[in-house]
Amino acid sequence: EVQLLESGGGLVQPGDSLRLSCSASGFTFTTFAMTWVRQAPGKGLEWVSGISAIGDATYHADSVKGRFTISRDNSKNTLYLHMNSLRAEDTALYYCAKGILYSRDGIDVWGQGTTVTVSS
Amino acid sequence: QSVLTQSPSASGTPGQRVTISCSGSSSNIGSNTVNWYQQLPGTAPKLLIYSNNQRPSGVPDRFSGSKSGTSASLAISGLQSEDEADYYCATWDDSQKLVFGGGTKLTVL
Repeated sequence: EVQLLESGGGLVQPGDSLRLSCSASGFTFTTFAMTWVRQAPGKGLEWVSGISAIGDATYHADSVKGRFTISRDNSKNTLYLHMNSLRAEDTALYYCAKGILYSRDGIDVWGQGTTVTVSS
Repeated sequence: QSVLTQSPSASGTPGQRVTISCSGSSSNIGSNTVNWYQQLPGTAPKLLIYSNNQRPSGVPDRFSGSKSGTSASLAISGLQSEDEADYYCATWDDSQKLVFGGGTKLTVL
């Protein structure tokens, strides 16, 4: 069974940094693209970042470009989201998601999410 | 403002057939496949339809998807109370990003 377990969320102040992690199991991690998607309270889904299976290609939403960086450690079956210069509008539930195959194919499995709250 | 356009709400009575639409452009739906997700209250989204019209194992055949040009649709037949949820369409955009619709809240009356 595919499992995605996010961690690293919390309450931070504007301008702070945070690193989210996603531990993956139940599938061959090195074969699939991975994605971060967030959902602000009471709002819809917003794609944040994506990364190819071997990490040679990364993609970021305009809203986070230059502040967030997606990465993966295939030796640890772990996906990361490095978040800098956090803003109030980054407050959301952050989901780790497994790609169907390539980034352009979309997502087939979602984690339960980790909450990031940016507030002074 | 979402790149893909969905009606904010839809409703139907048990047993009815409802359709949820998703409108995009030539750079997203027009050139890539569409996936649909169901999000029950308080839970993570779940893949309902992939590659325009394919159902993952375990998804009832009451759910079906279609795509034509720059639009896609999700149809739910034999509506049940447990289908009350938010539904999202998603696809790849040629500007190298994954895009979602704003979501449709389905109410079973």
